[in-house]
Amino acid sequence: QKEVEQNSGPLSVPEGAIASLNCTYSDRGSQSFFWYRQYSGKSPELIMFIYSNGDKEDGRFTAQLNKASQYVSLLIRDSQPSDSATYLCAVTKGGNKLVFGAGTILRVKS
Amino acid sequence: DAGVIQSPRHEVTEMGQEVTLRCKPISGHNSLFWYRQTMMRGLELLIYFNNNVPIDDSGMPEDRFSAKMPNASFSTLKIQPSEPRDSAVYFCASSPGQGDYQPQHFGDGTRLSIL
Repeated sequence: QKEVEQNSGPLSVPEGAIASLNCTYSDRGSQSFFWYRQYSGKSPELIMFIYSNGDKEDGRFTAQLNKASQYVSLLIRDSQPSDSATYLCAVTKGGNKLVFGAGTILRVKS
Repeated sequence: DAGVIQSPRHEVTEMGQEVTLRCKPISGHNSLFWYRQTMMRGLELLIYFNNNVPIDDSGMPEDRFSAKMPNASFSTLKIQPSEPRDSAVYFCASSPGQGDYQPQHFGDGTRLSIL
């Protein structure tokens, strides 16, 4: 079992729709959860982080965390073509270390 | 504010040559991370430093890889001798401090091709 699992996609959504990206993790001791966006040929860019169970909203983005289910998700409302990218879920392991999922490719079609 | 700065952006060299990648973390950040990204293995942590001290190098693939952080504003990742399978994008990232709740910020990466 991989430490962080994501559906590779591609996930295709129409412009203006809600995109839902999911991630599961295996280490119950993980404390912090991060979502990075990576455009093709570019570096990962931090877009959200969440530490507590529940929802955290920032603009069009909402991160959701359920530690009991070891599940974290990212919702993107009013999806735009510029949101088309690979979304990486990352989970802390033993302090500073981050373990990344393989990423989900999102395509927003206009 | 300046982000994490990496150099060179691209490196093409022949097998067997020494490769040195450089990184300047965000000013004031105490933790520095080296990652490697490939299509097959995704984004992997190679090594990280806290306050210039290497903390975990368990991700370094073999003895051909070494990393140093002589001061708070500079780090190097060296591969000697290089092999074609080392071809990848190498990222440097930094975070404000130690602990679970410190987001990491990435540099633009070095795209390394070993012929």
